[in-house]
Amino acid sequence: GDSVTQMEGPVTLSEEAFLTINCTYTATGYPSLFWYVQYPGEGLQLLLKATKADDKGSNKGFEATYRKETTSFHLEKGSVQVSDSAVYFCALSAFGFNKFYFGSGTKLNVKP
Amino acid sequence: EAQVTQNPRYLITVTGKKLTVTCSQNMNHEYMSWYRQDPGLGLRQIYYSMNVEVTDKGDVPEGYKVSRKEKRNFPLILESPSPNQTSLYFCASSLAGEETQYFGPGTRLLVL
Repeated sequence: GDSVTQMEGPVTLSEEAFLTINCTYTATGYPSLFWYVQYPGEGLQLLLKATKADDKGSNKGFEATYRKETTSFHLEKGSVQVSDSAVYFCALSAFGFNKFYFGSGTKLNVKP
Repeated sequence: EAQVTQNPRYLITVTGKKLTVTCSQNMNHEYMSWYRQDPGLGLRQIYYSMNVEVTDKGDVPEGYKVSRKEKRNFPLILESPSPNQTSLYFCASSLAGEETQYFGPGTRLLVL
């Protein structure tokens, strides 16, 4: 069945460091891919999305490219800030955006 | 303000005592969904609803019931809670055919 695998955390970086969080997926058909972010004590918020192969989603300095050949959707940011500390979830949707599958989440800690 | 609300936010109960977690959205969204979040497992979809009176199972529906009698509300019912249903629960909604989900703040449930 469909599934998402993302790198385990926590990931600890210093401010202004480069961030990569790996995400790979297994899916039948042509899923849409997402990154959601969860700040402490809050629900998830959509960070970015891509709906077809080679699309690049971007928002707030974060980017991810939908790579069908490697079934990946890695999250990157060139220079992280303390305020980026949160848990990041990779997700895919199938069956006309009715069923969603999330990865296990990667906690990011950014130190000043 | 556009939002998804959940009540209660925190709940401690005992095995076998029926409970309902309410979810309400004010965005006129057709699609609503329930998830549970557990450490190391990410979010897993319990049930979803594509519109009033239309519901379907997600990945982990056992032990849960839902109903969708009104467009704005999508309650989650645990008829006979067990300790393995201790978790953090999130409700989400979106427009039909739209990938972007809006999440509620979460309900933390402890079943003793």
